[in-house]
Amino acid sequence: QKEVEQNSGPLSVPEGAIASLNCTYSDRGSQSFFWYRQYSGKSPELIMFIYSNGDKEDGRFTAQLNKASQYVSLLIRDSQPSDSATYLCAVTNGFGNEKLTFGTGTRLTIIP
Amino acid sequence: DTGVSQDPRHKITKRGQNVTFRCDPISEHNRLYWYRQTLGQGPEFLTYFQNEAQLEKSRLLSDRFSAERPKGSFSTLEIQRTEQGDSAMYLCASSYSYNEQFFGPGTRLTVL
Repeated sequence: QKEVEQNSGPLSVPEGAIASLNCTYSDRGSQSFFWYRQYSGKSPELIMFIYSNGDKEDGRFTAQLNKASQYVSLLIRDSQPSDSATYLCAVTNGFGNEKLTFGTGTRLTIIP
Repeated sequence: DTGVSQDPRHKITKRGQNVTFRCDPISEHNRLYWYRQTLGQGPEFLTYFQNEAQLEKSRLLSDRFSAERPKGSFSTLEIQRTEQGDSAMYLCASSYSYNEQFFGPGTRLTVL
C-alpha cells in the first residue's frame, strides 16, 4: 500500500463547476497536509495546507481533513481553465518541518 | 523577496560523468530540502538540512549522491558516475523552521 494515494485521473470538470480532489494516507502519525499544484514542466506550487480536522478555506479553495478516516480533500469552486494542472497531495509527520511524502498527483482538466 | 533558485535549469550529461546542482533558498529559510521527480510520479524525498546540518537522508539515496550546505545558505547536490536511471527533475525546497516548503524551478537532468 502506498503511503499517500491519489486517483491519477484525468479528472474533467466543466468551467464554473466544483472540482473535488481526494487523497488518503496510511500513516496515522501524519500531522500536516499540503496541496501543491503543478503545471506541466514546472515545479510544485503550494496552494493550501491544513493541520486540524475540519475545513480550511482560502479564496476558491477549501481543504478538508478527516484524521479518523485518514482522508484529505481539496475543493476548487468556480473552476477556471487556469486551474488545469496536476494536484499533488503531500503529508509530513511533523508540523511542516520534515520530509514531504507525496502522492502521484491527480491531473485535473477544466473544460471551457 | 526572491524565491528559491536552482542552477542549472537543464543538464545533459553522458553516463558515467559527475554532475553538480546548486540551490539557493529563500533568504532566512533555515531548512533546505532536495527531492527528485520522475515523469508521472510525485516528488520523492532525498535529503534535508537544517542550517548546515544534514538531518535526514533517504535510504533510496545511493552512495553516488552527496549533498552539502556548507554555510547554512546555498546547497549543492552532486551525483557521481551518473546512470540513465538518474534522469529526473531535481527539486529544491526551503522553509523557515516548522513552516511550509516552497519549491524552486528544478533542474532537469538527462543522462545519455
